[in-house]
Amino acid sequence: GNSVTQMEGPVTLSEEAFLTINCTYTATGYPSLFWYVQYPGEGLQLLLKATKADDKGSNKGFEATYRKETTSFHLEKGSVQVSDSAVYFCALSDTAGGTSYGKLTFGQGTILTVHP
Amino acid sequence: SQTIHQWPATLVQPVGSPLSLECTVEGTSNPNLYWYRQAAGRGLQLLFYSVGIGQISSEVPQNLSASRPQDRQFILSSKKLLLSDSGFYLCAWSGTGPNQPQHFGDGTRLSIL
Repeated sequence: GNSVTQMEGPVTLSEEAFLTINCTYTATGYPSLFWYVQYPGEGLQLLLKATKADDKGSNKGFEATYRKETTSFHLEKGSVQVSDSAVYFCALSDTAGGTSYGKLTFGQGTILTVHP
Repeated sequence: SQTIHQWPATLVQPVGSPLSLECTVEGTSNPNLYWYRQAAGRGLQLLFYSVGIGQISSEVPQNLSASRPQDRQFILSSKKLLLSDSGFYLCAWSGTGPNQPQHFGDGTRLSIL
């Protein structure tokens, strides 16, 4: 079956530090990959996505590249801000077998805390 | 543009009482709809999904049920709540094409006393 593995948190950084949150996946078909962000007390927001190998998704200074050879989709940001403190979820959508139900498989989430 | 509304935002209920959480989507037709539960602010557990009116698939056996009486309305219910039903409940929708992202509501914080 499909699965997503994220690096264990929490991750604590100082403002302007470089961020990497690792995400690897297993899938039976040709998945699309997503990063979601959840701020305290809120729902999840789509941060970025990539639909095929070598695609790079980017948004708000965050980026992630779909690496089929390493089955990875690591999230990076060059300079984090205090306002980036949140929980980050990696997810995949797999249409193996032709299903288009849109079910996502989520990682467990990584808590990021950025200090001034 | 599409929007998703979920209510109430918070709810405190006694054990054994009924539950009804509602989710509606605007600005799209025939969406796929989903209910998740999130425990301890971390991982998401898919509870139900629906690809059309009256079509509900359950992902895990539990004390909850879901219904879709209208195209853009998704309801999560229980006849008798358990302490273990406490958590953060999230509704989401997606388009019906392949590999569509899901879009989430703001969630309902449910506390069972």
